[in-house]
Amino acid sequence: GENVEQHPSTLSVQEGDSAVIKCTYSDSASNYFPWYKQELGKRPQLIIDIRSNVGEKKDQRIAVTLNKTAKHFSLHITETQPEDSAVYFCAAHNQAGTALIFGKGTTLSVSS
Amino acid sequence: ETGVTQTPRHLVMGMTNKKSLKCEQHLGHNAMYWYKQSAKKPLELMFVYSLEERVENNSVPSRFSPECPNSSHLFLHLHTLQPEDSALYLCASSQDQGFSYNEQFFGPGTRLTVL
Repeated sequence: GENVEQHPSTLSVQEGDSAVIKCTYSDSASNYFPWYKQELGKRPQLIIDIRSNVGEKKDQRIAVTLNKTAKHFSLHITETQPEDSAVYFCAAHNQAGTALIFGKGTTLSVSS
Repeated sequence: ETGVTQTPRHLVMGMTNKKSLKCEQHLGHNAMYWYKQSAKKPLELMFVYSLEERVENNSVPSRFSPECPNSSHLFLHLHTLQPEDSALYLCASSQDQGFSYNEQFFGPGTRLTVL
């Protein structure tokens, strides 16, 4: 079945460092790849997404890259701040196109 | 706030009880979703509704029964649950479903504990 693998499961960085989270997907028909951030005790919220017709998208300190040939995409956070601490989820469409399949999440801790 | 509300926020029930979770979206969206969030499977899709029709049932046990009376409301009826069903149940909505690049807006969730 469809699968989205995400790693690492936990990531600890110092404030100001960069953080990279990687995901791979199994369905070559997937064409939309969002990233969600879930702060402790709060709901997941979309932070950035990328469609299959581009290879990179950037929004201030956050960027996402996509390699369709290799079926993997990554989230890059530069100049990390303590408020970036959260669980980050990647996702891709399932084969039927009816829903998103989420990765297992990465717990990012940014220490000051 | 994202415009998706859920009630109750917390629920404790015994294995023989019957209860319902409610989700309401005020965004004019056409698709609604139920997810189960637990330590084992952080965001596990359960059901997808599009224009009040169920389009996805992700192998969910029959003790969970969804209902979508209109595009703004979604229910999850619970009966004879097991302790392993204890989790955070999240509702979400999007403009449409499928390959249409739609952001999903999540509700705050219902924290369910089954004794």
